[in-house]
Amino acid sequence: KAGVTQTPRYLIKTRGQQVTLSCSPISGHRSVSWYQQTPGQGLQFLFEYFSETQRNKGNFPGRFSGRQFSNSRSEMNVSTLELGDSALYLCASSPGGRSQETQYFGPGTRLLVL
Amino acid sequence: ELKVEQNPLFLSMQEGKNYTIYCNYSTTSDRLYWYRQDPGKSLESLFVLLSNGAVKQEGRLMASLDTKARLSTLHITAAVHDLSATYFCAVDRPRRDDKIIFGKGTRLHILP
Repeated sequence: KAGVTQTPRYLIKTRGQQVTLSCSPISGHRSVSWYQQTPGQGLQFLFEYFSETQRNKGNFPGRFSGRQFSNSRSEMNVSTLELGDSALYLCASSPGGRSQETQYFGPGTRLLVL
Repeated sequence: ELKVEQNPLFLSMQEGKNYTIYCNYSTTSDRLYWYRQDPGKSLESLFVLLSNGAVKQEGRLMASLDTKARLSTLHITAAVHDLSATYFCAVDRPRRDDKIIFGKGTRLHILP
């Protein structure tokens, strides 16, 4: 099976712009979770989607949003980018849900906000 | 507020030695995860521990969970250089808001 893919892998944006990141899970996986990793805050949970529904969300402002499509592919959107949004964004998939099963992570998208 | 603390944050050790990484958390939870991250790479899920007393082993790594002590350990047996990485533990709050909280990570450097 192909692994989790994320696009783009690298991205440079300027403050105030918006960005959309994409995640394609392993075939058959219905759960997609998103995480942010920064040197200062470490790893933080953003949200989880399962069968097109958001199951839960971390403590991030409303500028961070996501969605999941019927084929389980997920997108994450960040509007009005701030310098502090520079981070590695990881997505992970699992068959039924992140809390019960092993998750499989994509390679990540490195976002730099200037 | 749920807090997750890992100890130590940095560990340098010789090949062939045994060592343990500790993960303490502050409030009730019965789901704990261990991940590995190589420099500049993504995360790899190592273990999912779902109940008190759970023990899982994979190669030279063994993880255990004591929910009463709010403690998980990741034990490394006869370390080899390939195990050099950063190890994260994370805790879920299933009966509260179902948010996962990560520790700061333990950077493990194994000297050949």
